[in-house]
Amino acid sequence: EAQVTQNPRYLITVTGKKLTVTCSQNMNHEYMSWYRQDPGLGLRQIYYSMNVEVTDKGDVPEGYKVSRKEKRNFPLILESPSPNQTSLYFCASSLGSGLTDTQYFGPGTRLTVL
Amino acid sequence: DQQVKQNSPSLSVQEGRISILNCDYTNSMFDYFLWYKKYPAEGPTFLISISSIKDKNEDGRFTVFLNKSAKHLSLHIVPSQPGDSAVYFCAASVYSGGSNYKLTFGKGTLLTVNP
Repeated sequence: EAQVTQNPRYLITVTGKKLTVTCSQNMNHEYMSWYRQDPGLGLRQIYYSMNVEVTDKGDVPEGYKVSRKEKRNFPLILESPSPNQTSLYFCASSLGSGLTDTQYFGPGTRLTVL
Repeated sequence: DQQVKQNSPSLSVQEGRISILNCDYTNSMFDYFLWYKKYPAEGPTFLISISSIKDKNEDGRFTVFLNKSAKHLSLHIVPSQPGDSAVYFCAASVYSGGSNYKLTFGKGTLLTVNP
């Protein structure tokens, strides 16, 4: 089954404790992206990757890092999480970043930073 | 500055009636528009899209209308079913260089279809 998987689905952590949210897709997609969803703000892009070893900032990249060492994986790293990073996070992938390339989303990771 | 606006946070409709979800945008360079549907505890899923050169696209019970002069699009669901209850995100795509396009999402509208 074609899918985007994220782990963990739920995470409660404390300020400053480094964490990684994993994202994996099995569709051989080149383009991958991370979004956060906050009440009243919709989906905002954090980082994206056009292909292996090619990453770039989205609209809200502060406090996050990503890496793309393999085509299928695109982990999101919070080196020193803060309470304002409490959010619902979605990973997405698509064949490319062309006009009609549909993005497929993972199930989401709900992160709470205390 | 929000380029894609969904001004109604929520909408409640009776089963069998029409649901109309609205979306306004400010960037005249948007080339392509999409609607995504999101159920609780799941990621958004693609629903329907429309190119900027068209004014209507239909897929079963779902129709998207685009009015470029008004920078407005709408999603019509007819007839509405309780299973349509979800958050609907409007999204728009703009050229960002090379062969790449960037997607911008609205805030979402929660649709509730009552039996």
